[in-house]
Amino acid sequence: AQKITQTQPGMFVQEKEAVTLDCTYDTSDPSYGLFWYKQPSSGEMIFLIYQGSYDQQNATEGRYSLNFQKARKSANLVISASQLGDSAMYFCATGDSNYQLIWGAGTKLIIKP
Amino acid sequence: EAGVTQSPTHLIKTRGQQATLRCSPISGHTSVYWYQQALGLGLQFLLWYDEGEERNRGNFPPRFSGRQFPNYSSELNVNALELEDSALYLCASSWHGQETQYFGPGTRLLVL
Repeated sequence: AQKITQTQPGMFVQEKEAVTLDCTYDTSDPSYGLFWYKQPSSGEMIFLIYQGSYDQQNATEGRYSLNFQKARKSANLVISASQLGDSAMYFCATGDSNYQLIWGAGTKLIIKP
Repeated sequence: EAGVTQSPTHLIKTRGQQATLRCSPISGHTSVYWYQQALGLGLQFLLWYDEGEERNRGNFPPRFSGRQFPNYSSELNVNALELEDSALYLCASSWHGQETQYFGPGTRLLVL
């Protein structure tokens, strides 16, 4: 069965610094997707970025990039030039063969001014 | 384009009552997912509907049920409410056969 592990329960980062949020996954599917979502204190889950297992390039979306290392089964999220509005919970997820998302426990990111 | 909408935003019930939560997916999306998120915890998968059919359900008792209507909107019903049902209930939608899910703002259910 698929599993997502996020080992950082919380992180403090200075504003304008880059931040890397860790995510490792375990799956037996030959083809899979990896997702990152942001959940601010308001509660809404916001889709950030997607990486397909066969994608040659690391996915990027604005200030977000996904550092995909297939051999290590890691899919870390990198946020460049962090902003105060980046303070939120961040969840990593992967899809299974039933189109379900398997979620990690999340990392709480706090950006300090 | 309108995103996923959920109603109500907040709901207060007493133990033993029934709660009904509603979700309208993004236009063109046929899959709707329901999740429960207790305070400070991760997402627990509840139900998945696609094209009017229940496709999968998570490890929740039968008093959690729902349905999907012909316009692909969905309703989650929770019967015989218990205190531990207090949580944020998130609805998400996706295109048929696509993994990327887009979420609504959630309904905060408080059971007293």
